[in-house]
Amino acid sequence: TQLLEQSPQFLSIQEGENLTVYCNSSSVFSSLQWYRQEPGEGPVLLVTVVTGGEVKKLKRLTFQFGDARKDSSLHITAAQPGDTGLYLCAGAWVQGAQKLVFGQGTRLTINP
Amino acid sequence: DAGITQSPRHKVTETGTPVTLRCHQTENHRYMYWYRQDPGHGLRLIHYSYGVKDTDKGEVSDGYSVSRSKTEDFLLTLESATSSQTSVYFCAISKTSGGASNTGELFFGEGSRLTVL
Repeated sequence: TQLLEQSPQFLSIQEGENLTVYCNSSSVFSSLQWYRQEPGEGPVLLVTVVTGGEVKKLKRLTFQFGDARKDSSLHITAAQPGDTGLYLCAGAWVQGAQKLVFGQGTRLTINP
Repeated sequence: DAGITQSPRHKVTETGTPVTLRCHQTENHRYMYWYRQDPGHGLRLIHYSYGVKDTDKGEVSDGYSVSRSKTEDFLLTLESATSSQTSVYFCAISKTSGGASNTGELFFGEGSRLTVL
């Protein structure tokens, strides 16, 4: 059973298009993080959202935490080939517990 | 750069042999983790440590043991490797010290690719 469900699992679009990746759960998280991973490397943290309804922007990337803190989304505007990679969401269940549960990932390919 | 080094980076072994993966950090952070990554499963926690000689199990701990005799080193051992343990293993650290303000952000090593034949 995957506690954090990401959708879609695979996405291939053309450069310049917009896209949204979803991360959903039936559990409430104290915080949720998004990581990006390139082949042969470890995941790298992009952002952490903590407050229900919070929106954070990182250049062309917009991250939102659901009001009930059970879900999150990542929206990319005008995607570029450099955005290609594996995007992972991860939830922290209890503050201070230092344990994360990861979604299965979304493999994004941006074609020139 | 979080100062995390994993070794070996690649290993091929045979079923039934013991394997130890090493994670070394240079910043003396309290929390260290071992994850495995498999297609369709994302990252799954094997074991983690919250201090020297203090470890706990994750969601996929069967067949794995860990040890942490020094702050900077966290070892993952497969006592008798099986083909189902073929995977990419990632070590991670958390730079927070715990407590209510912690949000659990992790910094990962580059991974160790293990193939069990």
